[in-house]
Amino acid sequence: EPEVTQTPSHQVTQMGQEVILRCVPISNHLYFYWYRQILGQKVEFLVSFYNNEISEKSEIFDDQFSVERPDGSNFTLKIRSTKLEDSAMYFCAIRPDRAFYEQYFGPGTRLTVT
Amino acid sequence: GQQLNQSPQSMFIQEGEDVSMNCTSSSIFNTWLWYKQDPGEGPVLLIALYKAGELTSNGRLTAQFGITRKDSFLNISASIPSDVGIYFCAGLGGSQGNLIFGKGTKLSVKP
Repeated sequence: EPEVTQTPSHQVTQMGQEVILRCVPISNHLYFYWYRQILGQKVEFLVSFYNNEISEKSEIFDDQFSVERPDGSNFTLKIRSTKLEDSAMYFCAIRPDRAFYEQYFGPGTRLTVT
Repeated sequence: GQQLNQSPQSMFIQEGEDVSMNCTSSSIFNTWLWYKQDPGEGPVLLIALYKAGELTSNGRLTAQFGITRKDSFLNISASIPSDVGIYFCAGLGGSQGNLIFGKGTKLSVKP
């Protein structure tokens, strides 16, 4: 099973601040995804990233969100001006095989906006 | 939009019992995935299903892709305490592989 790490494991920030969440797949992959999970709720898709560009995004992924793969290894999710309702677990996922849709999730970053 | 309904919402069972849970939708899905999530951790992939009618096993877990492509089932045989967690079904939501998740079935196992 492909390994994915995420940093930080927990981030506390004040409303209006910018945060950057990082995902580090152990080996090279083509497909990356960000999901979020508000406490006690289901996992929700945010954005997919393929070939170094956004391939699909959900309604949640508005202008305050951005993703990039700055050095060909790390995959980041930036929230420009955090709101209280951004508090959630954020999961990075990778899809190692183009032919199949299996996705492997990282351990997540717990974001707390105060 | 596409939604997945999971039932039951929660289950309390005795160790050794078999468990069944399901996931239904009003929309057709061409791929179904089942994940397990422990508290504070990321979802872990259990089984992936790609063909209507397909039955796939992973140890004590068996999942089926419904013939109508609007449902899927997960069975766990001879449950053990470490089966405790939340089980999510997920369907393929778009051409880029994004997944739509159900709300989960929370499983508790009494030793």
